[in-house]
Amino acid sequence: QQQVKQSPQSLIVQKGGISIINCAYENTAFDYFPWYQQFPGKGPALLIAIRPDVSEKKEGRFTISFNKSAKQFSLHIMDSQPGDSATYFCAASDNAGNMLTFGGGTRLMVKP
Amino acid sequence: DAGVTQSPTHLIKTRGQHVTLRCSPISGHKSVSWYQQVLGQGPQFIFQYYEKEERGRGNFPDRFSARQFPNYSSELNVNALLLGDSALYLCASSRFFSYNEQFFGPGTRLTVL
Repeated sequence: QQQVKQSPQSLIVQKGGISIINCAYENTAFDYFPWYQQFPGKGPALLIAIRPDVSEKKEGRFTISFNKSAKQFSLHIMDSQPGDSATYFCAASDNAGNMLTFGGGTRLMVKP
Repeated sequence: DAGVTQSPTHLIKTRGQHVTLRCSPISGHKSVSWYQQVLGQGPQFIFQYYEKEERGRGNFPDRFSARQFPNYSSELNVNALLLGDSALYLCASSRFFSYNEQFFGPGTRLTVL
């Protein structure tokens, strides 16, 4: 059962543009929502994370927007750069341990 | 500080064989989790270990087992390998049992022929 749905599967953005990736979850017990960045042949790297008590979190060019009532959250990458080209995964977990449930991933390509 | 380390980097096995993968967490981290990532998909949770005890298990068959040692390092064992076990096996460490922030290692690429 896929509890976290991610879209789009792939995304092409011009350099300097905004990349937007969306995720939706079903389990209302989830209370931690991280985003991971993964380059080919590497493990996922934690990018930014949010908890439901805030609606937005910004770190540098990366922003998470969170809508608790809609059970949706999104990643915005401002001023996208070719070096941002990677696969991005949203994930979610509850407070009973730290099992992460991942979305299917979005392959981002930023064209120079 | 060193990040999460995993060994070996790559592994090729044949169907029916057994494999052992190893993970060393970040210094000071007591929880280790294992994930399977099939090509083109998101990681799937296999196990979580904390203080040498299994604290969570995903939807994987009994052919998969793991353990954690007193120094918090961990092993993942897979018996009777199937072609479908070919994947990137990721280890993630976190400070405590329910401390959400997890850091992943580079993974072990397992190919089953």
